[in-house]
Amino acid sequence: SQQGEEDPQALSIQEGENATMNCSYKTSINNLQWYRQNSGRGLVHLILIRSNEREKHSGRLRVTLDTSKKSSSLLITASRAADTASYFCATVPRYGNKLVFGAGTILRVKS
Amino acid sequence: DVKVTQSSRYLVKRTGEKVFLECVQDMDHENMFWYRQDPGLGLRLIYFSYDVKMKEKGDIPEGYSVSREKKERFSLILESASTNQTSMYLCASSREGWATYGYTFGSGTRLTVV
Repeated sequence: SQQGEEDPQALSIQEGENATMNCSYKTSINNLQWYRQNSGRGLVHLILIRSNEREKHSGRLRVTLDTSKKSSSLLITASRAADTASYFCATVPRYGNKLVFGAGTILRVKS
Repeated sequence: DVKVTQSSRYLVKRTGEKVFLECVQDMDHENMFWYRQDPGLGLRLIYFSYDVKMKEKGDIPEGYSVSREKKERFSLILESASTNQTSMYLCASSREGWATYGYTFGSGTRLTVV
């Protein structure tokens, strides 16, 4: 079952622009994580934000979490062609023990 | 560089064959997971293990079994492969503590059952 749902399903931008992806979820969570998947490869963990945190940064990545709206956003600043990939949010429900993934956003950065 | 290694990148098997997908991690992680990934369905958890010889069913365990005889190795077994098991299979591991830390994924095995 999918807990998180990403929006948009696909995003195409020019190199240098910012990319914003959103994730909504249904139940209370312990933490929310973002992953990147290059075509045909495994997923790479990008960042984890806990339920008591509102914002987190890692390099060109900025993640926000709004638990009242049950939503999160991932911002990639100054995008590069190498950022072309699928991006997934994943949540750990508060009373669960498994990471549940959304369907992902496909990001294409044109050079 | 720490990693999760899946034994095959691509695999083609015949219907009815018994298929073994192997996964090895070198991070001394307690937890290991098997997911399958299909277009439009995202990642779905098949089985996971939080200790040697321990296993728990995920969301879609039917048609699969697992084995964890050693901490570093987690095997997924398709008892009798069927065409609807054609998919990308992803193995992952994590430190103890339920999803308190990020998962480390292998590169995936694309299985085709003909």
